[in-house]
Amino acid sequence: GAVVSQHPSWVICKSGTSVKIECRSLDFQATTMFWYRQFPKQSLMLMATSNEGSKATYEQGVEKDKFLINHASLTLSTLTVTSAHPEDSSFYICSARVRAGTGIYEQYFGPGTRLTVT
Amino acid sequence: GNSVTQMEGPVTLSEEAFLTINCTYTATGYPSLFWYVQYPGEGLQLLLKATKADDKGSNKGFEATYRKETTSFHLEKGSVQVSDSAVYFCALSPMVTGGGNKLTFGTGTQLKVEL
Repeated sequence: GAVVSQHPSWVICKSGTSVKIECRSLDFQATTMFWYRQFPKQSLMLMATSNEGSKATYEQGVEKDKFLINHASLTLSTLTVTSAHPEDSSFYICSARVRAGTGIYEQYFGPGTRLTVT
Repeated sequence: GNSVTQMEGPVTLSEEAFLTINCTYTATGYPSLFWYVQYPGEGLQLLLKATKADDKGSNKGFEATYRKETTSFHLEKGSVQVSDSAVYFCALSPMVTGGGNKLTFGTGTQLKVEL
């Protein structure tokens, strides 16, 4: 099946520093990936849609200058949290879109990255 | 806009008990509906889906039927196991053909199954 990986699985950083999170599709190519944020005991919130070779589309209320997304290849999208602050601490999950054998699209999710900003 | 409402947890059941997790939605048109499961420390996995009214999605003993008249997609399982302990998310996609687009999630329901 379609496998999506994320790296790192968890990271602790100091306030004011930047952190990069990678999302890779391991056995398929994905022109579209999605980045979600999950707060403790809450649902996933879509942050942005990452399209290979073009700028990401951000959801309303998400700061694009703070959450930089780069989809440089068909198997890799990165999310960089710039000048991180404690309120950015969260669980970040990516997903990749793949066309299933039936012709419809499905999303496959990565295992998530736990970010803690101290 | 689109929204998904699911019952609050946590839900605690004994092994072999019957499970129902309620999910209702608000959407325009004909969305696709999904149940995802998240095991501790892991990402989301697609559990089952339905793309049109009266469709029944099923997987691993779990079932859910797309009810357009009641805008619901309740998750059921006849006999739960300890290994089913996880958080379950109901979600919808505005595209009738699948989940390859923006997903709107419910808040999740934690299920704990005890021996």
